[in-house]
Amino acid sequence: GAVVSQHPSWVICKSGTSVKIECRSLDFQATTMFWYRQFPKQSLMLMATSNEGSKATYEQGVEKDKFLINHASLTLSTLTVTSAHPEDSSFYICSAGLSDTQYFGPGTRLTVL
Amino acid sequence: GENVEQHPSTLSVQEGDSAVIKCTYSDSASNYFPWYKQELGKRPQLIIDIRSNVGEKKDQRIAVTLNKTAKHFSLHITETQPEDSAVYFCAASMEGGADGLTFGKGTHLIIQP
Repeated sequence: GAVVSQHPSWVICKSGTSVKIECRSLDFQATTMFWYRQFPKQSLMLMATSNEGSKATYEQGVEKDKFLINHASLTLSTLTVTSAHPEDSSFYICSAGLSDTQYFGPGTRLTVL
Repeated sequence: GENVEQHPSTLSVQEGDSAVIKCTYSDSASNYFPWYKQELGKRPQLIIDIRSNVGEKKDQRIAVTLNKTAKHFSLHITETQPEDSAVYFCAASMEGGADGLTFGKGTHLIIQP
């Protein structure tokens, strides 16, 4: 149990385009999901908390208009990177909480050319 | 906000020896402290966690200790094996699965055969 999936696992896009990443809890419902970003050889940094049915809460320094989060159901949260630029290239990982523990998705490798 | 410091950044030990990784945190309200193992390009995997009402927890070769007064916690791996080689992250949060995690910068553990 407690499986979290992400799609796509990797994506390459041109500068200026938008990319959507999906995070799904496969065998449980998650009222809260989290989005993290990890640059090469660095730690995971919390970007935002995604709340089902309400607006996401963004960490300081994360642009909410650039990183759009939608949590329309108890099993799906999406992160859209709008007008992506090369500096947005990173490993994006979501997690979902269940019974006081967080379970991570496999991550999405975004490369912006 | 919470700040988590992790040391050392790199740790090399002989196979069969013990490894210890230490973390300190700044926010006394934090009460959940997980440890994750991450292999290159993969998702973080929870290996052990501890909550503030417990001072020590053990799971086979892995143990975690917590000193709330000093605001530090440590990961202990005994009888290290080659497959223990990975990057290990400590983290802290206030509400476990319901709260975003603040991660340490990671420790690259290298097990020398």
